[in-house]
Parts: sequence; structure tokens; C-alpha cells
Amino acid sequence: EPEVTQTPSHQVTQMGQEVILRCVPISNHLYFYWYRQILGQKVEFLVSFYNNEISEKSEIFDDQFSVERPDGSNFTLKIRSTKLEDSAMYFCASSEGLAGGLGETQYFGPGTRLLVL
Amino acid sequence: AQTVTQSQPEMSVQEAETVTLSCTYDTSENNYYLFWYKQPPSRQMILVIRQEAYKQQNATENRFSVNFQKAAKSFSLKISDSQLGDTAMYFCAFMKQDSNYQLIWGAGTKLIIKP
Repeated sequence: EPEVTQTPSHQVTQMGQEVILRCVPISNHLYFYWYRQILGQKVEFLVSFYNNEISEKSEIFDDQFSVERPDGSNFTLKIRSTKLEDSAMYFCASSEGLAGGLGETQYFGPGTRLLVL
Repeated sequence: AQTVTQSQPEMSVQEAETVTLSCTYDTSENNYYLFWYKQPPSRQMILVIRQEAYKQQNATENRFSVNFQKAAKSFSLKISDSQLGDTAMYFCAFMKQDSNYQLIWGAGTKLIIKP
């Protein structure tokens, strides 16, 4: 069964450094998402992406964040200058887009645990 | 703003018992979608069951069923004949119709099935 994959599984970085989190969505899916979960807190939506552009972003997704689909398979989240509060588990998800994405099941990757020191 | 509340941080039951996980939500929307996701230890979240708010019939998937009470804004998950493999974090999530498909999450319930 197709799965969403994410690399790396863990990343440790110094404050102020740039990080790129990588995701390979399910191959025929059209909608892509990033969520994060700070330890002990709820999962939070960051951004949704369709047709090579951002569909929606949350207040968390400020100018330090960007997303890109550099080729036909990868979907990346970049944090330009990491802060201590960016430490979290970052989840990528994708959905088919057959119904325009509405109400569709989102399929999640295993997450990347980011630790900013 | 929409919120999702799971009032049970942790539950444990014996194998083969039935367990119900609670979820309430707050919204002024009439059309929306509700989901239960399961996250086993060290594994990714997978969908357990979904419900469309305009459908009165409660969704069922094998041993998993929901009790959807729209007026009460309640969406509980019932697991029948619980199995050891049901041990996981369970998250309730809400998607409103015009949200560009973002999921709004509850805090999760850690369910432990004891042998």
C-alpha cells in the first residue's frame, strides 16, 4: 500500500540555521500539507499546497517558512532561520484531490522530529 | 474559531472489552467533516473513520463505530472487541467545508489495551 515518506526522521540543528524537511507524498495525490506538533501540545496546521502554490497557511507559517515541490515527487518544508520554539514533530500529509480535496482522507507520513539547540 | 476537545488524556481497558473515546467540538458551521485518526507507537497516523456532518447515519468500520450527535457537537469513537493492536494515541479532528482542507485537532487520547 502506498505511503507518505519523510526524511530525515530526526534532525538536530543550531538556532539560526536553515533546515529542509523532505516528504514524498503518495504518487497520484494532488494536495499536500504540513502540520507540526510541539511536545505536549495539539497538532497544528501549517500549510496546504495544490497546483504548485499555497492554498492556505496558518498564522504559524510566517516568512521564515516556505514550501516547494522541486520535482514530481518531493515536497519540502524549509525553515530559513530556526528558533528554539520551532522544535517539534513535523508531519507531511497528502490527499487525492478527486473531490477537490474537500473532506478527503489525508494520509500522513511518520514525521520528522526537529530539535533546535 | 473551531476547537476540538478530547477530555480523556489516557484510558486503559482489558483486551476484548468495548471502549468509548469522547470528542466534542465547537463550530458555527453546518457542513463539515469529522475524523478519528490512530497513531500507534512510533508509527504514522492512519485514518480510523470519518463522518460527514450532513449524514445522519453514524459511520462504521468493522469494530470501530462513531456516535455522532450533531446538536450536541459530539463525536465519540467506540471500539468493540478491543485488541492489543488497538493500543495507540487516538486523535479526533475537524475539517470545515471552506477551510482549504486544514484539519483542526484534539489533544489526543492515549489508549492502552491490556492483555
